[in-house]
Amino acid sequence: GENVEQHPSTLSVQEGDSAVIKCTYSDSASNYFPWYKQELGKRPQLIIDIRSNVGEKKDQRIAVTLNKTAKHFSLHITETQPEDSAVYFCAAGVRGATNKLIFGTGTLLAVQP
Amino acid sequence: DAGVIQSPRHEVTEMGQEVTLRCKPISGHNSLFWYRQTMMRGLELLIYFNNNVPIDDSGMPEDRFSAKMPNASFSTLKIQPSEPRDSAVYFCASSPGGTGKEGQPQHFGDGTRLSIL
Repeated sequence: GENVEQHPSTLSVQEGDSAVIKCTYSDSASNYFPWYKQELGKRPQLIIDIRSNVGEKKDQRIAVTLNKTAKHFSLHITETQPEDSAVYFCAAGVRGATNKLIFGTGTLLAVQP
Repeated sequence: DAGVIQSPRHEVTEMGQEVTLRCKPISGHNSLFWYRQTMMRGLELLIYFNNNVPIDDSGMPEDRFSAKMPNASFSTLKIQPSEPRDSAVYFCASSPGGTGKEGQPQHFGDGTRLSIL
C-alpha cells in the first residue's frame, strides 16, 4: 500500500543553522506534497506544499524540493529560530483517493538558542 | 473566515461510556477527515468523507467506532463503549476538493483531547 517514510525522527540544530527533513513516498502517481508544522498541544498547520510539476518552491526561510524520479522530497529551513521548534510532518497525495493524504511519522525539530 | 471547529476540546470519561466528538468543516469544503494522534502510533486516518459520503473507513480500529456526516456542515465520531486505549487526540480536517480532484491541502481543527479512565 501507500507509504511515506520520513527521516530523521529527531533533529537538533543551533539557532541560525539550517535544518533538512527528508521524505520518501511509494506511490509513483502521487502528485501533491504538503508539509505541516505542529507545535506542542496545537493542531498541524500547513506551512508549504509542492506539486509534481515543480521541482522546488520557496517561501522566505522555508523551501521544499521534489525529485519525482527518486520519489524523494525534502523540507529545508534556513536561519533557524527557536520558534521553529515543533514536529514537522510530510505527506503525499494518493492517486485515485481524492484528497487523501498519507502522512510521514514526523520529525521533532529542536532549535537550541 | 472560521476554520474547522471541533467540540469538545477536552473530554474525560470513564470506560464503558459513550463518547461523541463533533466537527464543523470549513464552509464550502467537500472532504472531511477524522484522524487520531498518539505518541505511539502517530497520526492515523480513521475515516474520510467526500460530499457527505464515507469513502474509506479502513482506518477505523473496530466496531466500537462509528462516524456520520448527515450534512455538509457537520460530522460526528462516536465511540461506544469507550476503552482506556482510545485515549488520544482526535483531529478533524477538511479539504476543498471533491470527486476527481487530487492534491488539495487539508485544514485541521484544534482537536479533541480524549481521556478514558
